[in-house]
Amino acid sequence: DTEVTQTPKHLVMGMTNKKSLKCEQHMGHRAMYWYKQKAKKPPELMFVYSYEKLSINESVPSRFSPECPNSSLLNLHLHALQPEDSALYLCASSRQKGDRGYEQYFGPGTRLTVT
Amino acid sequence: GDSVTQMEGPVTLSEEAFLTINCTYTATGYPSLFWYVQYPGEGLQLLLKATKADDKGSNKGFEATYRKETTSFHLEKGSVQVSDSAVYFCALQDTGGFKTIFGAGTRLFVKA
Repeated sequence: DTEVTQTPKHLVMGMTNKKSLKCEQHMGHRAMYWYKQKAKKPPELMFVYSYEKLSINESVPSRFSPECPNSSLLNLHLHALQPEDSALYLCASSRQKGDRGYEQYFGPGTRLTVT
Repeated sequence: GDSVTQMEGPVTLSEEAFLTINCTYTATGYPSLFWYVQYPGEGLQLLLKATKADDKGSNKGFEATYRKETTSFHLEKGSVQVSDSAVYFCALQDTGGFKTIFGAGTRLFVKA
């Protein structure tokens, strides 16, 4: 199984809502990532988890809160978002952070619209 | 810091034409290099990779060679198909393997 799954596929939320994005992989990967991708742009790294611990936070606003409950699951909690946060949110995993030359496996993404 | 530069798109080709998408990089140390492809409405998927100088990555008729002397990793395919229409991202993974840095992406349209 080389699949990363993400739910929901689409999400529309108001600026006062709280919602969560979910990501799951069963490849035994120990590094998991959140990216934000705006239209016609490359993915921008937000967070990296390594062995369920937050390893990299690319100065992401606190309205985005990541969580890694176990080695297979990654969540992104959203609160008080702004319309400019509307984007495709991609989850990815790889064997482990620091493993040179090992590619990332991406999920299909959650298309988020903030109204 | 490390960076990746790839040719501006979109690139429009007829079916069976030859494809080249240029990619150059700036990095300290010895990065690993990747090409990812993103089809409409999907996430990225690995197309090919190379981890050291002179390595050639290949997959589905696509090829790219890691050229340290020219800091390049150009993507080529001898005969494109309509199904190759997608956005192609060149990427490097820093020497420590901690981060992947993506180029801006090149959109390819292939006409029948």
